[in-house]
Amino acid sequence: DVKVTQSSRYLVKRTGEKVFLECVQDMDHENMFWYRQDPGLGLRLIYFSYDVKMKEKGDIPEGYSVSREKKERFSLILESASTNQTSMYLCASSVRGGYEVYNEQFFGPGTRLTVL
Amino acid sequence: AQKITQTQPGMFVQEKEAVTLDCTYDTSDPSYGLFWYKQPSSGEMIFLIYQGSYDQQNATEGRYSLNFQKARKSANLVISASQLGDSAMYFCAMRESDNYGQNFVFGPGTRLSVLP
Repeated sequence: DVKVTQSSRYLVKRTGEKVFLECVQDMDHENMFWYRQDPGLGLRLIYFSYDVKMKEKGDIPEGYSVSREKKERFSLILESASTNQTSMYLCASSVRGGYEVYNEQFFGPGTRLTVL
Repeated sequence: AQKITQTQPGMFVQEKEAVTLDCTYDTSDPSYGLFWYKQPSSGEMIFLIYQGSYDQQNATEGRYSLNFQKARKSANLVISASQLGDSAMYFCAMRESDNYGQNFVFGPGTRLSVLP
């Protein structure tokens, strides 16, 4: 059974704290993604990684960084959490394939982060 | 400009009836993929159906079908014989070609409520 796991379902942090969100996939996927989900805005891409130690900025990278030291693990880091980073964070993974290759994203259960 | 538009923030449907969820997209890439995901209240994203830009036939998966009108750039999801368990958020997403393949862009979602 394929799986993407995230370290926490719920997290409460204080403004200014450094926050780590961890994501692990067991499908040997090359691509991994971090999204945030806010009501009415859908999912917005923060960062993605197509290989170990490789990363690309998504649509809203400000205030975030990422780390991918191993293929199966992709971490999202909030260097100094702020209240406007209160959101649902979703991790996903996919194979890297040609443009016509069926290539869905598999999602983790999400982490609901509250910054006070 | 929004790449994925879902104009129905909320929809209601009677149990056992069919419902259509709208999705329009914007791309100049000749090669792309369109996806629908379901997100129940528990938060996980569940893949439903995929349509490739070069696919000649509309995709179908059980009770789900995709009404793909390429010239209109629309990819509406049709759910037949609605069930109470279909109540959820539904997201339309598009994958365009890029250097490393498969960035996804999501629409804002439609909340479907199935009435008994």
